[in-house]
Amino acid sequence: KNEVEQSPQNLTAQEGEFITINCSYSVGISALHWLQQHPGGGIVSLFMLSSGKKKHGRLIATINIQEKHSSLHITASHPRDSAVYICAVSPKSGGSNYKLTFGKGTLLTVNP
Amino acid sequence: GAVVSQHPSRVICKSGTSVKIECRSLDFQATTMFWYRQFPKQSLMLMATSNEGSKATYEQGVEKDKFLINHASLTLSTLTVTSAHPEDSSFYICSARAPLRPTEAFFGQGTRLTVV
Repeated sequence: KNEVEQSPQNLTAQEGEFITINCSYSVGISALHWLQQHPGGGIVSLFMLSSGKKKHGRLIATINIQEKHSSLHITASHPRDSAVYICAVSPKSGGSNYKLTFGKGTLLTVNP
Repeated sequence: GAVVSQHPSRVICKSGTSVKIECRSLDFQATTMFWYRQFPKQSLMLMATSNEGSKATYEQGVEKDKFLINHASLTLSTLTVTSAHPEDSSFYICSARAPLRPTEAFFGQGTRLTVV
């Protein structure tokens, strides 16, 4: 069973700061997902990556397959970035279901 | 991008009644849908995997007769919470898998269920 650990659990930042959220997993994967959950509960998929680095606006996600580690970076953070960020991994052999294993999430609060 | 619509977003019901939650894939056919439950400040917990045209596969500890899942078409899966009790109050969320993009996850908006 894959264990997914996120750090930190809680993060408070001032507007404009550079944010890093980390995710480590224990078993080989086919893909890693970064998700964003706002206070209302809805979940948005930010990135899916299996190698290297992806960038979308102020968000950057990196993954190191050998070290089984991924980071989510937010540049020039803004109060609207306040949310729970969740790391999830897809198993290496998904069969027909590709069940995700989720981290516990990182609660980010960006103060103005 | 692929869109998954979940309805209703919030529902309040009385103890003993049943509540149906719908999950629709709007612009793709979802052969597999997943139903999750989330307790406050906890991670998502997989309840069951729903495959179109066949019975759902439930995770250990999830009562099949209480949480009825139907995936009758390639774009719709429903979760019915039967004889709801206050302890069933939770956030329920679905996700769908597109056959041509099997490792991607597309989530619904979630449903906040409150049983009074």
